[in-house]
Formats: sequence, structure tokens, C-alpha cells
Amino acid sequence: DTEVTQTPKHLVMGMTNKKSLKCEQHMGHRAMYWYKQKAKKPPELMFVYSYEKLSINESVPSRFSPECPNSSLLNLHLHALQPEDSALYLCASSQEPSGGYEQYFGPGTRLTVT
Amino acid sequence: GENVEQHPSTLSVQEGDSAVIKCTYSDSASNYFPWYKQELGKRPQLIIDIRSNVGEKKDQRIAVTLNKTAKHFSLHITETQPEDSAVYFCAAPISGGGADGLTFGKGTHLIIQP
Repeated sequence: DTEVTQTPKHLVMGMTNKKSLKCEQHMGHRAMYWYKQKAKKPPELMFVYSYEKLSINESVPSRFSPECPNSSLLNLHLHALQPEDSALYLCASSQEPSGGYEQYFGPGTRLTVT
Repeated sequence: GENVEQHPSTLSVQEGDSAVIKCTYSDSASNYFPWYKQELGKRPQLIIDIRSNVGEKKDQRIAVTLNKTAKHFSLHITETQPEDSAVYFCAAPISGGGADGLTFGKGTHLIIQP
């Protein structure tokens, strides 16, 4: 299995809702990432998990809360989001956390905050 | 942290011609430079990458060159085909070492004219 999967594909939520995005990989990769991509922009790094521990938080607001329950799963918990948080949320994984390893991207979750 | 600049933002070429996209980076410690292709509505996919101990790498119609002294790297696509139409992103590790996400250039929209 050489894929990163993400659920749901689409999500619409109100500003008072709580929801979660899920990412899964079964390639034995030890690093997992969350990126945010706005329309016509490049992906922007949000979080890095290295061996199931949070190693990078790129100054992301606390309304985004990542979680890595095990080496195959990565969640992003969402609470009290703003309309400007509407974007494509991409999960990625790589064999090792340090630079030089290909990052495999999932198909993304398209989030709309109303 | 690393800063990656990418040019041009849009590139239109005739089918069969070559296309060149250029990127510069700021951190001389960066050692890994991937190129991603993203078609509309799809995930970014790695098309080629280069490490800092190599000056050039080829894979069929695609090549990447790296000039460490000048801190720039370029993507070359020869004999362009309609399926090459997409947005291309260059990237570099977001920090010098440890657990690394990627920082991306702003992207180049490549249009192949029939």
C-alpha cells in the first residue's frame, strides 16, 4: 500500500462546530505532516509529527489541534474555526522526518467554514 | 527559516517545445529540493528531486539542475505534451535539519498550447 488516505473528502462546518479530519498511511512512514492550501497558493506547513511526537508547530492557532494516536494515523481536530480557515487540508507522510525523503501527499479534505 | 522564490508564475509553451522553471533558496544548509506537479483538484505529486551532492538529475523528459553556489535550481521539461499542463511547485526543507516539513515556491502554471 503506497497511498496516504484522508477522510472526509469534503467538510462544511459552522463556526461553532467541532469536527475532525483523519489521515492514514500504511507504508511504515515515521513522519507525518499537515499542510493547508488556499486556492491558487502553495501548500503551507502546519504541523510535523516525528515518531508520533509533535516536532514542529508553525505558529498555528489553537483552534487547530493535531493528534497522532499511532504511527499510521494522524488527526486534525477543528474547533471554533473562522471563514478564512476554508481551504484544502493536505496530509503527507515520509519514511523518515529529516529532509531528503519524499513526502507522499493524500488527496486532501476540502473544508468550508460558514 | 528557508525562503523559496519561483519564476515565472505562468508559462505558456507550444506542444513539443521545452519549458524551464527556476527557483532560488536562501538557506545554504538546505540539502534536498523536490519538484511537485499538481493538477486541478488533485494532490501534489513528486515528479523529480535532487540532493545537494548532485548537480543534475534526469528522468526521461524531465531534468533538474542545482547550483549550490548561486543557490538556485531549475526544472526542465523537454518535448512538452498536453498532459504536462498543471501547476508546478519547487520546494526545500523548511529548516536546516531535524524533523522537516517543506516550504514551497509560489508555483508556476504551465500551459501547453496545442
